[in-house]
Amino acid sequence: AQTVTQSQPEMSVQEAETVTLSCTYDTSESNYYLFWYKQPPSRQMILVIRQEAYKQQNATENRFSVNFQKAAKSFSLKISDSQLGDTAMYFCAFMKTNTGNQFYFGTGTSLTVIP
Amino acid sequence: EPEVTQTPSHQVTQMGQEVILRCVPISNHLYFYWYRQILGQKVEFLVSFYNNEISEKSEIFDDQFSVERPDGSNFTLKIRSTKLEDSAMYFCASRATGGVGNTEAFFGQGTRLTVV
Repeated sequence: AQTVTQSQPEMSVQEAETVTLSCTYDTSESNYYLFWYKQPPSRQMILVIRQEAYKQQNATENRFSVNFQKAAKSFSLKISDSQLGDTAMYFCAFMKTNTGNQFYFGTGTSLTVIP
Repeated sequence: EPEVTQTPSHQVTQMGQEVILRCVPISNHLYFYWYRQILGQKVEFLVSFYNNEISEKSEIFDDQFSVERPDGSNFTLKIRSTKLEDSAMYFCASRATGGVGNTEAFFGQGTRLTVV
């Protein structure tokens, strides 16, 4: 079975500062995908960043980057130059590479960017 | 930009009543999903749907649950006899294709179901 753990229920960061959200997972699969989804208040979840497990290079999308440690089964999200619009719930998710392609989610981290 | 839409945004129902949650996936998508999140807990997979049939379902998705794509655009989740523990946020999602070539799922904003 796959499990995803986000140990930080709530976090806050000053605008323009950097914050790191942690995520660990457990799986016996060798190939899989990892994701960070963002859910602003009363809005749908949107994809922030994705990482393929077979790629050693950490994914980066503008101010968002990940620190993927496959051996440690860790997948943290770094947000640089935090903006007020980054305030949201952030979900870490795991996906096997089978045809069903269901996501396994963590419980989420509520991030507040303080002006 | 195309998006997944869900209606209603909030549904209150009495225990034992049937409820239907509606979703309109993105029009050219082929894979559809329902997830739920009980308050304070993780988002849990319920069911995936492809080619007009269920492709995978979780232990949560028992005989009280059913899904349907009645008219080629809507994707519905029906709970036949709601229980208090069915109270949760229900998310619909869709993907363009399966396999590893297209991994992004697009989510709706959710329906909050409250069973009283």
